[in-house]
Amino acid sequence: AQSVTQPDIHITVSEGASLELRCNYSYGATPYLFWYVQSPGQGLQLLLKYFSGDTLVQGIKGFEAEFKRSQSSFNLRKPSVHWSDAAEYFCAVGPTNTGNQFYFGTGTSLTVIP
Amino acid sequence: DSGVTQTPKHLITATGQRVTLRCSPRSGDLSVYWYQQSLDQGLQFLIQYYNGEERAKGNILERFSAQQFPDLHSELNLSSLELGDSALYFCASSVGLEGYSPLHFGNGTRLTVT
Repeated sequence: AQSVTQPDIHITVSEGASLELRCNYSYGATPYLFWYVQSPGQGLQLLLKYFSGDTLVQGIKGFEAEFKRSQSSFNLRKPSVHWSDAAEYFCAVGPTNTGNQFYFGTGTSLTVIP
Repeated sequence: DSGVTQTPKHLITATGQRVTLRCSPRSGDLSVYWYQQSLDQGLQFLIQYYNGEERAKGNILERFSAQQFPDLHSELNLSSLELGDSALYFCASSVGLEGYSPLHFGNGTRLTVT
């Protein structure tokens, strides 16, 4: 079965510093990968997605993620964090068979210090 | 705005009661997913519908049921409510069943059982 692991439950960074959130997946073939962000009291918003092709994908709000097959990873990065980036971030794997569910990681909570 | 509408935003009810949560998917989306999010359980997949038919089931309790109507809106029914059912309930929609079709989430219904 597919699974997603986000090793970091909580991360604190200073405003202006770079950010990397880790995501590891378990699946044999090339997965469909997503990153979502959830602000307090809000739903999950799609940041970016990877299906195939260029392993470095760009998303909204200045985020990017890199797919590394050899490491089964899809880490999210941002060169300079803004205070408004404080939120919960979820990595997800899409189903490989129609009718199967998406698998979400447990999330990483990001705190930004001024 | 994701285009997914959930009502009501907040719901407070007593143990033993029954409630109905409603979701209107994005225009053109045929798949609807329901998720439960609580502090201790994270984001839990409940059930998925595609064009009116149930396609995948997750950790949905027998006290819970859902359906998708011909106009593609969906309802999640929660009965014999317990304190532990207090959570955020999210609806998400996608175009189809393919794993590369990302989910688009509503802002959720916050259910409080007293």
